[in-house]
Amino acid sequence: DAGITQSPRYKITETGRQVTLMCHQTWSHSYMFWYRQDLGHGLRLIYYSAAADITDKGEVPDGYVVSRSKTENFPLTLESATRSQTSVYFCASSAWNQPQHFGDGTRLSIL
Amino acid sequence: AQTVTQSQPEMSVQEAETVTLSCTYDTSESDYYLFWYKQPPSRQMILVIRQEAYKQQNATENRFSVNFQKAAKSFSLKISDSQLGDAAMYFCAYQVNTNAGKSTFGDGTTLTVKP
Repeated sequence: DAGITQSPRYKITETGRQVTLMCHQTWSHSYMFWYRQDLGHGLRLIYYSAAADITDKGEVPDGYVVSRSKTENFPLTLESATRSQTSVYFCASSAWNQPQHFGDGTRLSIL
Repeated sequence: AQTVTQSQPEMSVQEAETVTLSCTYDTSESDYYLFWYKQPPSRQMILVIRQEAYKQQNATENRFSVNFQKAAKSFSLKISDSQLGDAAMYFCAYQVNTNAGKSTFGDGTTLTVKP
């Protein structure tokens, strides 16, 4: 079925470890986004991508790395996880000037 | 930078009654979109309604409607005949027409529906 899939749904890791969150969409949307949602706050943009091989920083990019070698995939990597990166992470995709479609989120806990 | 403000962290409504959630935004752009998203406890982000800034007519989707005041930069959501399933966090979001589809979100309003 068409949609946007995030994996894993839940992840527990330790400080200093590298962790990658996966995002896959089947609509061939040009735009993809990564947000984090902390308790009591809305979504804050980490990185976004306008097309394959084109990425740009959002509001809170420090400590994160993204890549987009294929249109359908947009992984987010925490190179050396810190406790402040404990959050719920959402991936989203959209076509030009259309609303964003969101994945179900990944709850990441860093101990 | 654009900002979106939701001044009501929490709201409650009696089942079958009407409730209005507030949202204001700050922008110098003239061509943009506004959205309301719903996030139930399941954590999904669900689009409720969309408004194009160039349209004067307020958007409506069944029991959900907006009051879009462009000059005042206000975009409130009205939920009529509230149902228990409407209980969720609601986010207002702003998206510039030319900004790679990036959206700016408010901090959300938690809506409780009382039976």
